[in-house]
Amino acid sequence: QVKLLQSGAALVKPGASVKMSCKASGYTFTDYWVSWVKQSHGKSLEWIGEIYPNSGATNFNEKFKGKATLTVDKSTSTAYMELSRLTSEDSAIYYCTRFYYDGTYYYWYFDFWGPGTMVTVSS
Amino acid sequence: DIRMTQSPASLSASLGETVNIECLASEDIYSDLAWYQQKPGKSPQLLIYNANSLQNGVPSRFSGSGSGTQYSLKINSLQSEDVATYFCQQYNNYPFTFGSGTKLEIK
Repeated sequence: QVKLLQSGAALVKPGASVKMSCKASGYTFTDYWVSWVKQSHGKSLEWIGEIYPNSGATNFNEKFKGKATLTVDKSTSTAYMELSRLTSEDSAIYYCTRFYYDGTYYYWYFDFWGPGTMVTVSS
Repeated sequence: DIRMTQSPASLSASLGETVNIECLASEDIYSDLAWYQQKPGKSPQLLIYNANSLQNGVPSRFSGSGSGTQYSLKINSLQSEDVATYFCQQYNNYPFTFGSGTKLEIK
């Protein structure tokens, strides 16, 4: 079955960077776009951006350009997101998700979610 | 960006009741709307896509409707396991945006 396994919680200092991972299993990793979604404590969800593992193509929410970098390692079916120049506003849970694909078309809703990685920015 | 205005922010209902959650888009999203359920301490799970299609494995007491800018999620015969926060999401245009969530509790 489809699984998205995310790396563990991180405590990082302001101004530093953090890189988190999302290991996919149960499907052909290179066929599906992977997205990242931010959930600040007790708040709603924000779409950060997406990456297509087959080509490395990316699209970003303007709000997160310069903040987030998305990469993949096809050999291990793992997607990564690095957040830079961290501030308290970056403290949140970050989910990796997958867009639905029926074999012909992509649909931009999220059919599977990882358990999330909690990032706390504190000195 | 397309703004998704979700209401109510919170809702308390009795077991067996029917509840409705609304989502209003700031422009026509042509039924490119999904609903998610997020239980406490868990990641969101897809309930409805294309405004009214039920995701595999989701109980039939959940249904979605709407078109244009107005959409709703209906839960019939409320069960205790439906306690969660519900979010709508538009995928008609980048960036994909979510409603602010509706927290559902049992009275």
